[in-house]
Amino acid sequence: GDSVTQMEGPVTLSEEAFLTINCTYTATGYPSLFWYVQYPGEGLQLLLKATKADDKGSNKGFEATYRKETTSFHLEKGSVQVSDSAVYFCALSDRTGRRALTFGSGTRLQVQP
Amino acid sequence: KAGVTQTPRYLIKTRGQQVTLSCSPISGHRSVSWYQQTPGQGLQFLFEYFSETQRNKGNFPGRFSGRQFSNSRSEMNVSTLELGDSALYLCASSGGQTSSGANVLTFGAGSRLTVL
Repeated sequence: GDSVTQMEGPVTLSEEAFLTINCTYTATGYPSLFWYVQYPGEGLQLLLKATKADDKGSNKGFEATYRKETTSFHLEKGSVQVSDSAVYFCALSDRTGRRALTFGSGTRLQVQP
Repeated sequence: KAGVTQTPRYLIKTRGQQVTLSCSPISGHRSVSWYQQTPGQGLQFLFEYFSETQRNKGNFPGRFSGRQFSNSRSEMNVSTLELGDSALYLCASSGGQTSSGANVLTFGAGSRLTVL
């Protein structure tokens, strides 16, 4: 079945550091890929998405590129802020008719001032 | 435009009781999905409803059920509660696939259930 693997957290960075959170997936066909973010006490917010190979999703300074050859969708940001502290989830949605999202386990990011 | 609204936000129940959670989707969205989030199992899909019909179901016991009304509002019910049902229950709505082919879900803030 489909699966998403994320790097273990927590990831602790200083403000203005470069962020990478790794995400790889296993799926049949050509899934859509997503990054969601969850702030403390809140639900999930869509951060960015990509629907086909080599697509780059971007939002609020975050970027991720759909790499079919490596089945990866790594999240990057050039300069993190304290306000970026949250849990980040990589997810996929396949196109076989099943509409559920398959999520990774989440990566907690802590940004220190 | 109002987001996805879930009620109640917090509730405490005891083992053996049942609980009903409510979700109001974004206006115009006809698909509502439910997910369970726990520290041990992460985010797991429960079920999805579209136009009052269950269209997809995850791997949960029959104690977990749901329904959708004609105005797209949805409820989920958990009967005979167990300690392991303590979780954050998230509802998400969707307006269908976007022009890029992605099915984008918008999540509510969740209902946090504690079973004692």
